[in-house]
Amino acid sequence: QVQLVQSGAEVRKPGASVKVSCKASGYTFTDYNIDWVRQATGQGLEWMGWMDANSGNTGYAQKFQGRVIMTTNTATNTASMELSSLTFEDTAVYYCARGRAQLIDFWGQGTLVTVSS
Amino acid sequence: QSVMTQPPSASGTPGQRVTISCSGSSSNIGSKTVHWYQQLPGTAPKLLSFNNNQRPLGVPDRFSGSKSGTSASLAISGLQSEDEADYYCAAWDDSLGGFFAFGTGTKVSVL
Repeated sequence: QVQLVQSGAEVRKPGASVKVSCKASGYTFTDYNIDWVRQATGQGLEWMGWMDANSGNTGYAQKFQGRVIMTTNTATNTASMELSSLTFEDTAVYYCARGRAQLIDFWGQGTLVTVSS
Repeated sequence: QSVMTQPPSASGTPGQRVTISCSGSSSNIGSKTVHWYQQLPGTAPKLLSFNNNQRPLGVPDRFSGSKSGTSASLAISGLQSEDEADYYCAAWDDSLGGFFAFGTGTKVSVL
């Protein structure tokens, strides 16, 4: 079965960076994209961008361009998302998800990132 | 900020039918397929309906999606207590360079 297992919770200070990883199994990793979505406490879902696991092509939401880097490692079927210049407003649960043809179908369990001084 | 609008809440008693609306525009719902996600408390979202009205394997046929013009809706028939969750519509949006847009979300309560 499709599984996306994410790394554990992180705490960072304002201005720092954080990297969240996501290990995929149960499907051919390079046949799909990995999307990243975040959710602040009590708020809705916010799409951050996608990465084609085969080609390495990326597409980032305008809000995050210049501040986010998405990568994949096809040898380990792992995707990563690094967000820099963190502010308190970046405190959220970050999800990786499997995507293709403008559809997200399976989600990781989420990683809580807390920005605190 | 979301570009697709949903009512903040909806409710019903067990067995009732509840419908959630999702209002978008020509750059998203009007030209793209619509998907729906269910998010139970404290868990990751789960795909409930895709490509306007298709159900993934394992999703009960009590859940049905539809689309008309720049709006979409999700109907839940035979409401059950375990349906109490947040529901989000979603679609690709061709504006701003292209992005995956989510609706504002609807909290469904079972009375």
